[in-house]
Amino acid sequence: SQQGEEDPQALSIQEGENATMNCSYKTSINNLQWYRQNSGRGLVHLILIRSNEREKHSGRLRVTLDTSKKSSSLLITASRAADTASYFCATVRDGTASKLTFGTGTRLQVTL
Amino acid sequence: DTGVSQDPRHKITKRGQNVTFRCDPISEHNRLYWYRQTLGQGPEFLTYFQNEAQLEKSRLLSDRFSAERPKGSFSTLEIQRTEQGDSAMYLCASSLVWGKNTEAFFGQGTRLTVV
Repeated sequence: SQQGEEDPQALSIQEGENATMNCSYKTSINNLQWYRQNSGRGLVHLILIRSNEREKHSGRLRVTLDTSKKSSSLLITASRAADTASYFCATVRDGTASKLTFGTGTRLQVTL
Repeated sequence: DTGVSQDPRHKITKRGQNVTFRCDPISEHNRLYWYRQTLGQGPEFLTYFQNEAQLEKSRLLSDRFSAERPKGSFSTLEIQRTEQGDSAMYLCASSLVWGKNTEAFFGQGTRLTVV
């Protein structure tokens, strides 16, 4: 079963704009990860944030985590057409052998 | 290519046939996972191996499904008597367990269509 939901389900922006995606989850977690998936392809790991961290950066990506609200956000700054993809958050609970529980995903379309 | 590889990339089969998929993980990775993804949804966990031992199976994995990792390297996922509801993308991932915060590397997936 899915851990939670992502919001929005779909997002369309122009190149150069920022894109923000939100993820909510249901249970306590050890860490939360964000993945990107191009249409019909496998998933690419973007960033991992531990439960004791609040914010993390990687290049144009910024992830926040609020464990009290059981939510996370992914910000992509200065978006490019190549960022067009589906983005998934996935949580790992303690004692689950790093098994990932995915959200429903946000489909991002970046237009020129 | 040193990433996770899956074979075949696409499989079309008739209902009732058996199919087998293969996954070759990153060579030094000791943990291997199988996930299933249907259209418009996130991947769902099926099973995982620590070396050659299958340590957990999801309730999604009916008795028509079997997975093996005989020598702790590559893994196979077999579906017997396929049904149309088995149509999905089957994803394999591997990781090197060194602590609690492990990154999983995914293959390109095998897309199964049951007609």
